[in-house]
Amino acid sequence: NAGVTQTPKFRILKIGQSMTLQCTQDMNHNYMYWYRQDPGMGLKLIYYSVGAGITDKGEVPNGYNVSRSTTEDFPLRLELAAPSQTSVYFCASSYRGSSYNEQFFGPGTRLTVL
Amino acid sequence: GIQVEQSPPDLILQEGANSTLRCNFSDSVNNLQWFHQNPWGQLINLFYIPSGTKQNGRLSATTVATERYSLLYISSSQTTDSGVYFCAVGGGSEKLVFGKGTKLTVNP
Repeated sequence: NAGVTQTPKFRILKIGQSMTLQCTQDMNHNYMYWYRQDPGMGLKLIYYSVGAGITDKGEVPNGYNVSRSTTEDFPLRLELAAPSQTSVYFCASSYRGSSYNEQFFGPGTRLTVL
Repeated sequence: GIQVEQSPPDLILQEGANSTLRCNFSDSVNNLQWFHQNPWGQLINLFYIPSGTKQNGRLSATTVATERYSLLYISSSQTTDSGVYFCAVGGGSEKLVFGKGTKLTVNP
C-alpha cells in the first residue's frame, strides 16, 4: 500500500491564480481530511469528508473548496490564491469503525503564494 | 472547542538521555494521537492512545483520560529522534485538534 499520496510536493503561485492539490489513499478509508500547517504551529483542519459525496467544513475553510466523488480521492481547490494561503498542506485519511479513528497523513504539499 | 497544550515547547538533550513530553487537553476525548514531524516535514504516527499505556521500542505513551493529560516518554534518545512532537485530540467529532508541539533537539 502506498498509503496517502499527495501531489505536487511543492508549488509557487502568483496572487489570484488557482490550483488543485491532489490527494489519494489506497487503504479503503472512508474518512478523509485536509489540514494546513503554518510555520511554528500545529495543523488546522480545512475540510473533511466522511464518504463519497459528503464534505464538511473544518476550522479554516475560507478560500478553499473540496469534492469527494470517489472513496480514494479528495482534491482541495484554491481559488484566487492569497499570500495568507502560503502554508504546508497535509491530507489524511482514517477508517471510522466504532470508536477507532486513527488518522494517517500524506507527505504534504508546500505552497507559496507571491 | 477543545484546547490542547503541550509542554515543554522546546527541549534539548544529549544523546542517551530520557525525556517526558506532556499534553493537556480541556475536555473529554475519544481520539488522541502522538506524531513525530521529522526535519523534512513528514508526519509519522507514533501512538493512537485515547486511554491506557502503549510501548513501541524506546517510546511509550500513557493517557489518563479522566485527568485529561497524556505523556510521551522517550528513552535513550538518539539524534534521529530530533524534530517536533505533536499531540492531537478528537472529542466526539471527526476533527483532530493539534497542540503547538514540542521541538526536540538531540545533540550527539
